[in-house]
This record gives sequence, structure tokens and C-alpha cells, in this order.
Amino acid sequence: AQSVTQLGSHVSVSEGALVLLRCNYSSSVPPYLFWYVQYPNQGLQLLLKYTSAATLVKGINGFEAEFKKSETSFHLTKPSAHMSDAAEYFCAVSDWGGQGAQKLVFGQGTRLTINP
Amino acid sequence: SAVISQKPSRDICQRGTSLTIQCQVDSQVTMMFWYRQQPGQSLTLIATANQGSEATYESGFVIDKFPISRPNLTFSTLTVSNMSPEDSSIYLCSVDRGGNEQFFGPGTRLTVL
Repeated sequence: AQSVTQLGSHVSVSEGALVLLRCNYSSSVPPYLFWYVQYPNQGLQLLLKYTSAATLVKGINGFEAEFKKSETSFHLTKPSAHMSDAAEYFCAVSDWGGQGAQKLVFGQGTRLTINP
Repeated sequence: SAVISQKPSRDICQRGTSLTIQCQVDSQVTMMFWYRQQPGQSLTLIATANQGSEATYESGFVIDKFPISRPNLTFSTLTVSNMSPEDSSIYLCSVDRGGNEQFFGPGTRLTVL
């Protein structure tokens, strides 16, 4: 079964600084990988996904992630943090579930705080 | 993308009672999923629901506790039965629209007293 590890349950950066959220997966074959964002009291919104095309994936709101097979990593970055980026971020990997469906296995989440 | 709505958005329930959560999608989908997000935790898949067949439950979740219905291609319900305070969570439904990604509903915030 697939698993995902997010390093750091809380990350705090200053406004305008680089955002780096770490994600490592366990898989013997290249999986599908996702980053979701959850704003307070809201559902999950897809930021970006990797599906075996380009290894550098660009998403919404200026975020991007790079798939590195050798490191089994899919870290999320944004060059300049904005106050509105404060949220919970989840890395997820696809896995085969019941009825032939591709289910999502989520990491523990990283709460991003932006300091003014 | 997909427009997904859930009802209720939140509820406070007494222990021992049951709550049925509805999930409505704006277009037909084959697979629907139900997740639980316990306070301060990540999301855990409860079950996968395909229209016309029984739901498939993940390890640690059973049909008697979380019965699911999937009467058509745009609708599903999840019932949380015989609730206890440990069931206090956010329950989210999601759909797979193809393209190897899932879209999530806004969630139902359940508090059990």
C-alpha cells in the first residue's frame, strides 16, 4: 500500500519569503501525486497534480512542485508567500482501492502560517 | 471540475443517534468516495461507492457503522450510526471525474455530545 509522509506539521514563513513544504512517498512505481489545500472551515481544493508527464508541475496561486523519483519526493514550493496562503496543505498519492477505483492516501498535513 | 454539495453543513448530535449525510454532484460520476477528517488530523478514506453495487469499505470501517447508499450517478448518502463522541469529525465526499484527480465537497462538520 502507498503511503505519504509530510515533514513538518507546522511551517511558518514571513510574507514574501520562499515557501517549501516537503512530501515523500513510498512507491516502487511512479504514482500519481497531488497537493491539496484546505482553508479554514472549507473543503479541499486541488493545487496541482503529477501524472507522469513533466516532472515540474505548476499549479494554481503560484505554487509548483517537482517530482524527483530518485528521492521519492514531491515537494511544494512558492517563491513569495502571501498572507492568503495561510492554510493546511495535504500531499496525497493515488492507490488502487475497492471496485478498481483509484483512491487517495493523504499525508498528515502541514499547517502553513504567514507572518507579516 | 465538479460542483459538489453536502447536507447538512454541520450538525450537533446526541450520542446513540444516527445522522445521514447527503452528497449531490452536478453531473454523473461513476465513483464517489467518503472520507473522514478527525479533529486536527488528515483525511482517511471510509469507503468507495459505485452506483449499482455495494460500497467497498476500508480497513477499520464497517457497513453497520457507516452504511452508504448510491441510488444514482449523482447522489450518495453516508449514515453515521449509533454515534459516540469519537465520531466527531468532518465527513467529506469526493468524486472522480477522470483525469486522475478527485474533487471534494465542502464537508459536513459533525459534533457528537
